[in-house]
Parts: sequence; structure tokens; C-alpha cells
Amino acid sequence: GNSVTQMEGPVTLSEEAFLTINCTYTATGYPSLFWYVQYPGEGLQLLLKATKADDKGSNKGFEATYRKETTSFHLEKGSVQVSDSAVYFCALRYNQAGTALIFGKGTTLSVSS
Amino acid sequence: GAVVSQHPSWVICKSGTSVKIECRSLDFQATTMFWYRQFPKQSLMLMATSNEGSKATYEQGVEKDKFLINHASLTLSTLTVTSAHPEDSSFYICSGNGYTFGSGTRLTVV
Repeated sequence: GNSVTQMEGPVTLSEEAFLTINCTYTATGYPSLFWYVQYPGEGLQLLLKATKADDKGSNKGFEATYRKETTSFHLEKGSVQVSDSAVYFCALRYNQAGTALIFGKGTTLSVSS
Repeated sequence: GAVVSQHPSWVICKSGTSVKIECRSLDFQATTMFWYRQFPKQSLMLMATSNEGSKATYEQGVEKDKFLINHASLTLSTLTVTSAHPEDSSFYICSGNGYTFGSGTRLTVV
């Protein structure tokens, strides 16, 4: 079946460090891929998305490229800030009406100053 | 962009009572609304899919009589947790249009 696998956390970094959170997926066809961020006690915010192979989604310094050959959508940021501390979820969804997102387990990022 | 408004943000109720959670799509029509549940430090699990004007579709293992979903209009879907018990305490979150989420509801049953 369709699934999303994220690297286990927590990820602990110092401010201005480089961030990579790995995400791979299993799916048939061509789903869209997403990264969401959840700050403590809050709902989910869409961080970025990509709808087809080789697309790069980017937002707030974060970026991820849809790699069909490796079925991956790794999240990267060149220089993290303390305010980036949150839980990050990778997800996929087929572009059909009435289709729900399938989430990975989430990766907790903690950035210290 | 698309906005989903979810209320209440948090609620504490006594065991045996019912709680209603509302999700409204503010600037788009949500033919379909998804309801998720999230336990502490875990991922989101899809509970049910509600379609405007028809019965909701529940995921395996979700009690449809306990989690009543109503989607009477294109902009409003509600989840009612009936006869709530402490094990129903969780974070509930809705999603309209497939990828826009409400802010979530923290339910604590005491």
C-alpha cells in the first residue's frame, strides 16, 4: 500500500546548521508530495509541496525536490533558526477529489542558540 | 489562500458527556472534509471522510456511533464525540480541500 517513511528523530542542531530530514515514499502512480510543520500546541501548516517529478518546492528557506527515481522528498534548509524548532511531517496525496493525505510519523527538530 | 476555521481550540469535558467540534471552510467550498486524530508525539491518523450531503466514510477501527460526523453544507462539517471517555482525549484536526488544515482541537476528558 501507499506509505511515507521519515527519518527517526529527534534532530538536534545548533543555530545556523544545515538541516536534512529524509523522507521516502511508496506509492503507485504519481502522487503529490508535501511537507507540513507543526509548532507546539498548534495545527498543521503547509510548508511546501511538489506535484510532479523533479519539481522543487520551497518556502521560508526550506526546500525539497520530488525525486521519482529514488522515491524521495528530503527536506533541507541551509541555516536553521531557533524558531524552526517544531515537528515536521512528510505526506503524500493523490490528486483526486476525496483523497486524504497519508502522513509519515513526523520528525521533531530542536534548534538551540 | 484557503482557510479552515476549527473551533473550539481546546475543550475539557466530563466523562459521559458529548462534545462537538466544528470546522468551517472560510473562502472555499469543501465538498469533502477529512477528520484526523493525533495522539501525543505521534502522527495523524485519518478517522473519517465526510462528504457534503451524504454519510461519512469511517476508517477501520473507528466507531461511527461514537464519532458522529455531519457535513450538512459545503462550508461546515462537525465531529461530535459522544459519551466521551478519558481514552478519547486527543488532538482532533480537520482538513478541507485535501491539504488545508484547521488549527486543531485539544480534547481532554476528565
